[in-house]
Amino acid sequence: GENVGLHLPTLSVQEGDNSIINCAYSNSASDYFIWYKQESGKGPQFIIDIRSNMDKRQGQRVTVLLNKTVKHLSLQIAATQPGDSAVYFCAELSYNTDKLIFGTGTRLQVFP
Amino acid sequence: DTEVTQTPKHLVMGMTNKKSLKCEQHMGHRAMYWYKQKAKKPPELMFVYSYEKLSINESVPSRFSPECPNSSLLNLHLHALQPEDSALYLCASSPGGLGAGDTQYFGPGTRLTVL
Repeated sequence: GENVGLHLPTLSVQEGDNSIINCAYSNSASDYFIWYKQESGKGPQFIIDIRSNMDKRQGQRVTVLLNKTVKHLSLQIAATQPGDSAVYFCAELSYNTDKLIFGTGTRLQVFP
Repeated sequence: DTEVTQTPKHLVMGMTNKKSLKCEQHMGHRAMYWYKQKAKKPPELMFVYSYEKLSINESVPSRFSPECPNSSLLNLHLHALQPEDSALYLCASSPGGLGAGDTQYFGPGTRLTVL
């Protein structure tokens, strides 16, 4: 399943499928990008990050892609599991300000 | 210890009460943050402490008063709050001080309800 930016705040995928969550960031000068997962009633949990001098980074079952030309960030989750159900936030940070600016979030729902 | 802890988990207070939120980390992180998060919204930055000094105040009303007693502790003192201040208050920390561009790690939050 794939959402097309922040216009679709909820993404529903079947267990076992791959998920793609997209984010359009605002500041072309941002140096650092982070994806957070937030489950209901909990604080944001770090998933994966990427610096602006990279275009791809892989973790365990997750991959982050960065396209600076169009200011686009995506999070790919392989073999999505019920435990992946949460709200996912992208966040950008500029070394100049050191302020973390969050995107509006996407809710990922995984159904059996 | 690799986590940020926050107490209490839930807090209900009246508009005339004075209460405090507490945050603690023992990772040796030198920057600590307070965020406010309303339902279905992203976290919004309130304050940043870097090396125990207040470095950023995002024009937060004075009824919220932060305090950093030492490098491991961060408090948020609350007084004369309004019902619209009801939210999840999140604490975060990062290894370096302001300008280091480090990942911020969040605590579980305090769910505040103002009656």
